[in-house]
Amino acid sequence: AQSVTQLDSQVPVFEEAPVELRCNYSSSVSVYLFWYVQYPNQGLQLLLKYLSGSTLVESINGFEAEFNKSQTSFHLRKPSVHISDTAEYFCAVSEGGNNRKLIWGLGTSLAVNP
Amino acid sequence: NAGVTQTPKFQVLKTGQSMTLQCAQDMNHNSMYWYRQDPGMGLRLIYYSASEGTTDKGEVPNGYNVSRLNKREFSLRLESAAPSQTSVYFCASSEWQGDYGYTFGSGTRLTVV
Repeated sequence: AQSVTQLDSQVPVFEEAPVELRCNYSSSVSVYLFWYVQYPNQGLQLLLKYLSGSTLVESINGFEAEFNKSQTSFHLRKPSVHISDTAEYFCAVSEGGNNRKLIWGLGTSLAVNP
Repeated sequence: NAGVTQTPKFQVLKTGQSMTLQCAQDMNHNSMYWYRQDPGMGLRLIYYSASEGTTDKGEVPNGYNVSRLNKREFSLRLESAAPSQTSVYFCASSEWQGDYGYTFGSGTRLTVV
């Protein structure tokens, strides 16, 4: 069965430090991959997605994620974080075919400290 | 564009009361979803509607019903609220079954006492 594992439930980091939020998935077929961000007391917003093509995808606010098919991973990285990046981050996977609901990880809470 | 609009934003119910959470999207999306979010449990799918005229159960449908009123609107009803339904509820929509990602509403914080 398809599943998504976010390896860290909480990641504390200092401002301007690099960060990596890890996501692994299990699936035997082609997948679409997503990262969503949820700021405090808000809904989820799509951060970036991989559908096909280049395995490295970028967001407008400096995050990037790399699809690694052999390791079934889609880790999220940012070279230098800001206080405003403090949020919950969710990884999600959708398989191809007729049933393409998203399967969600449990989330990683990123806390950026001054 | 408003995107996905949920009402109400906050609600307190007594055990046994009923209520309907409303959701509307203005993006001409085909698919709509209702999730609940609880601490440590991530997002859990309650019901979804792949297209107008269809609805299907998700992971946690017990105690809930839904109506896809038209292409824009997808409501969630709690017939007899229980404290276990205290949660934050999110509605989402997608162009077609999530291929290009979901757009979420801002949520409804429901407390059942």
